[in-house]
Amino acid sequence: NAGVTQTPKFQVLKTGQSMTLQCAQDMNHEYMSWYRQDPGMGLRLIHYSVGAGITDQGEVPNGYNVSRSTTEDFPLRLLSAAPSQTSVYFCASSYSIFLDIEYFGPGTRLTVT
Amino acid sequence: GENVEQHPSTLSVQEGDSAVIKCTYSDSASNYFPWYKQELGKRPQLIIDIRSNVGEKKDQRIAVTLNKTAKHFSLHITETQPEDSAVYFCAASEGSQGNLIFGKGTKLSVKP
Repeated sequence: NAGVTQTPKFQVLKTGQSMTLQCAQDMNHEYMSWYRQDPGMGLRLIHYSVGAGITDQGEVPNGYNVSRSTTEDFPLRLLSAAPSQTSVYFCASSYSIFLDIEYFGPGTRLTVT
Repeated sequence: GENVEQHPSTLSVQEGDSAVIKCTYSDSASNYFPWYKQELGKRPQLIIDIRSNVGEKKDQRIAVTLNKTAKHFSLHITETQPEDSAVYFCAASEGSQGNLIFGKGTKLSVKP
């Protein structure tokens, strides 16, 4: 199993550009989520999904969209990038939302200039 | 909603000493408490977790204790080694739904 994979590893955007961060898992996990990690702020939940076709907002959802058309994929879209979205983004997955371990992807380092 | 406080933010110990990191949480319905280790430039990785029906759990040099009454839990690392140097994050489930709320992290440095 590849586990949780993310692409790209690094990305530089100009303010106002849009892009999609890709996340995929091959463990047949129902639960997937996106976090952003900023220095001194820990990991903050952006959006999550409890299964294909179901998504919900986390702690910091503004400026981001998600969709879950398949169990395997959970892309994160930045609609109009802003410097405040400069961060490291981690995708994670679990067997279910209820009391389970989260497996993290390798991360995407995004810089918005 | 759930709030998780983690202390200290930095911790420096000598090799062989013990290290303790503490977290408090606010939601009495929280019932899952994992700890993650993140080495520089790497992804967070689960090192140990505890569920609310258990007070203590050990895995070799690592242990976690949970006090539900006081709403705090702690990570204990004994006989620290330089490879234990990393940032450690605690987390607590948001009520019984399972979304994890993370603490801000503790940077542990183990000096040889």
